Amino acid sequence: QKEVEQDPGPLSVPEGAIVSLNCTYSNSAFQYFMWYRQYSRKGPELLMYTYSSGNKEDGRFTAQVDKSSKYISLFIRDSQPSDSATYLCAMSPSGGYQKVTFGIGTKLQVIP
Amino acid sequence: EAQVTQNPRYLITVTGKKLTVTCSQNMNHEYMSWYRQDPGLGLRQIYYSMNVEVTDKGDVPEGYKVSRKEKRNFPLILESPSPNQTSLYFCASRVQRSMSSNSPLHFGNGTRLTVT
Repeated sequence: QKEVEQDPGPLSVPEGAIVSLNCTYSNSAFQYFMWYRQYSRKGPELLMYTYSSGNKEDGRFTAQVDKSSKYISLFIRDSQPSDSATYLCAMSPSGGYQKVTFGIGTKLQVIP
Repeated sequence: EAQVTQNPRYLITVTGKKLTVTCSQNMNHEYMSWYRQDPGLGLRQIYYSMNVEVTDKGDVPEGYKVSRKEKRNFPLILESPSPNQTSLYFCASRVQRSMSSNSPLHFGNGTRLTVT
């Protein structure tokens, strides 16, 4: 079993839809939770970052962490064609060397 | 502009011919790392470096070498490439203020390597 599980998609939605992207994990030591966005032919770039449980909002993006269920989500409101990309969840433990473990990424296409 | 620069972007080579992929960052980051990205497997860490002259193996180090002689550069060396090393490679860097600090990774735009 992988430490981080993520559905690869692809996920196609119409413009303006609410998108929900999710990851589950098995390592209870994970404390930092991140979402990276990767456009085609580009490297991943950090989109959202949360520590421990709870919600974090940044514009149209909301990240949620439920540590009791080992489940994290990224919501995109009013999705735009420019949101079309692959979204990778990532997580790391606290203390010691901060190795980051990535999900395989979910490919999202927002159709105009 | 703060960035991580990888070269080349695309590389086609033959089995056994030594190659080097360069990585340079201009953010004075202590930590640098190499990943490979494969369909269905995601990003897997090859090697990382916490600072100059300090390197360590990641999850998939076999067949790769690295060196960190200067803070800004972290080349990836394939001494005898094989077809199973065909992949998309990313270099990344971040600030590393302490062993327990966590800061975002900054990625280069990737090197697509094909070994025939």
